[in-house]
Amino acid sequence: GENVEQHPSTLSVQEGDSAVIKCTYSDSASNYFPWYKQELGKRPQLIIDIRSNVGEKKDQRIAVTLNKTAKHFSLHITETQPEDSAVYFCAAIPGAQKLVFGQGTRLTINP
Amino acid sequence: NAGVTQTPKFRILKIGQSMTLQCAQDMNHNYMYWYRQDPGMGLKLIYYSVGAGITDKGEVPNGYNVSRSTTEDFPLRLELAAPSQTSVYFCASSYSTSPSNFFGPGTRLTVL
Repeated sequence: GENVEQHPSTLSVQEGDSAVIKCTYSDSASNYFPWYKQELGKRPQLIIDIRSNVGEKKDQRIAVTLNKTAKHFSLHITETQPEDSAVYFCAAIPGAQKLVFGQGTRLTINP
Repeated sequence: NAGVTQTPKFRILKIGQSMTLQCAQDMNHNYMYWYRQDPGMGLKLIYYSVGAGITDKGEVPNGYNVSRSTTEDFPLRLELAAPSQTSVYFCASSYSTSPSNFFGPGTRLTVL
């Protein structure tokens, strides 16, 4: 079945700098790749997603890139702010709309 | 719209007890899911449903049961609770045409 690996597990950046989180997947049939943000004690919330027919997608300070050949996708956050501190999860859908999640990255923005 | 709602928010069970976690959505989503999230870990799929009357196992179904008698409701049943089932349980739903999961607020379960 699908396996999603996420790196790094923790990431600390200075406010205003950029943060990059990377994920790899194993099933070439996966065609949808969402990213979720989870604040402490809260539910995961979708922040951006990308489909396999698109290489890059941007939404204000957030962007996601996808390399289908290498089977990896990345989340890029620019001009980081304290409210970006959270745990971020990537996921892939190999079929039947069943999400397979990565292990998560705890992002800390230092003022 | 209330979105996805879950009850209870917190629960403490003794080993061997049973309980049902309730989940409801008012977005007319076909697909519904149950995940568990252990401390500091990612989400693992327990069961999912593609419509009323249809359910299927996810990655970690042992010790759980589900039913889907209506589009709106998707309860999760724990039989003979064990300490290994201590976790936060999230219910989620999505449209059949879009796989983005909308999550409920979660139920924090402790088994002692």
